[in-house]
Amino acid sequence: DAGVIQSPRHEVTEMGQEVTLRCKPISGHDYLFWYRQTMMRGLELLIYFNNNVPIDDSGMPEDRFSAKMPNASFSTLKIQPSEPRDSAVYFCASSLAGNQETQYFGPGTRLLVL
Amino acid sequence: GENVEQHPSTLSVQEGDSAVIKCTYSDSASNYFPWYKQELGKGPQLIIDIRSNVGEKKDQRIAVTLNKTAKHFSLHITETQPEDSAVYFCAASNGNDMRFGAGTRLTVKP
Repeated sequence: DAGVIQSPRHEVTEMGQEVTLRCKPISGHDYLFWYRQTMMRGLELLIYFNNNVPIDDSGMPEDRFSAKMPNASFSTLKIQPSEPRDSAVYFCASSLAGNQETQYFGPGTRLLVL
Repeated sequence: GENVEQHPSTLSVQEGDSAVIKCTYSDSASNYFPWYKQELGKGPQLIIDIRSNVGEKKDQRIAVTLNKTAKHFSLHITETQPEDSAVYFCAASNGNDMRFGAGTRLTVKP
């Protein structure tokens, strides 16, 4: 299995621009998680889905952040408009139903907002 | 909510020595405790996990111990090798909410 796939791996954008991060979970996994990692705050859960349905989005920092999962093999995290404080590494992870706590992480997207 | 504290934040050992990283948690309902290894430029990778019905689990050179009464768990790496150098994260989950520790940067000097 290819594991969790994320794109792009790196993104540099200017403040105010829209940013879209993409994730393909491991085939057959029912849960998908979006995390943000920064030096100051460590790993923070933003939102997670079960069977494409958002279950808990309490970690989404602001209305500028939105996430969708239109099907079992694809999810997006969008930031609009982006701000310099959004600069971080964003990880997607997936897991199986019945063992949803055992999460497998993707390689991450390193976002820099200038 | 859950609060996970991890110590030390940095750890440097000589190749062949053992390394121990400790975490404490606050939510007594937590029952799943994974450990992740994150190498530079990569995502966290699960290396070992333990559930609250066991006190210790071992996989080759790595082991995890859990003390539910004291609400702490530890990662032990024996016979460390330079490729063990990475950032290690502990986490605690109550089934609904998983929180991560701040991480330990382990350096194994050859």
